[in-house]
Amino acid sequence: EIVLTQSPGTLSLSPGERVTLSCRASQSVTSSYLAWFQQKPGQAPRLLIYDASTRATAIPDKFSGSGSGTDFTLTISRLEPEDFAVYYCQQYGNSPFTFGPGTKVDIK
Amino acid sequence: EVQLVESGGGLVKPGGSLRLSCLASGFTFSHYSMNWVRQAPGKGLEWVSSISSSSNFIYYADSVKGRFTVSRDNAKNSLYLQMDSLKAEDTAVYYCARGQYSGSYYGVSWGQGTLVTVSS
Repeated sequence: EIVLTQSPGTLSLSPGERVTLSCRASQSVTSSYLAWFQQKPGQAPRLLIYDASTRATAIPDKFSGSGSGTDFTLTISRLEPEDFAVYYCQQYGNSPFTFGPGTKVDIK
Repeated sequence: EVQLVESGGGLVKPGGSLRLSCLASGFTFSHYSMNWVRQAPGKGLEWVSSISSSSNFIYYADSVKGRFTVSRDNAKNSLYLQMDSLKAEDTAVYYCARGQYSGSYYGVSWGQGTLVTVSS
């Protein structure tokens, strides 16, 4: 089973800041089959990025993904109030298709 | 517009069974893989099971293998999760999510979830 580790667990930031979230895999993720999701309280998750770096439909270009192998990154270029949420990574290259524990981005 | 509506959640005693359903609309259901993901209260997301478009490929998390069974009826645009031998740790909101295409196992579109509570 591929274990995903996300760091940090919580980030306290101000609107306008740039944020970089990390997702590290215990072994190489097949074909960079890694996705990023955003979840706000009481809502279902929303797909942001798939295949490590491809933005999902209607996702603004302030969100970008990068990485390969075992190290992946989600970057939000400039935080807006609606971006404060929990962010999860998921690998779907090998079953079980595991999620990371999430990084909470909250307002400083 | 893609819509996924889960149903069948509720309160069940440990050792009991429940069958969750997910009714899909707004897309050609038979063309896409489907997934179940759960979230325990106050916790993170946990992948549960995935099924390919024609049911040829089925996958389960170790935590539910042998107890849960995923299936789909493409004629009824419906996804199911039969949950047997339920445990307290199965308490969660269960989401169904559509894949990107036939054999992709990440959720592009999600339902609002149905709550399963396992308690005596």
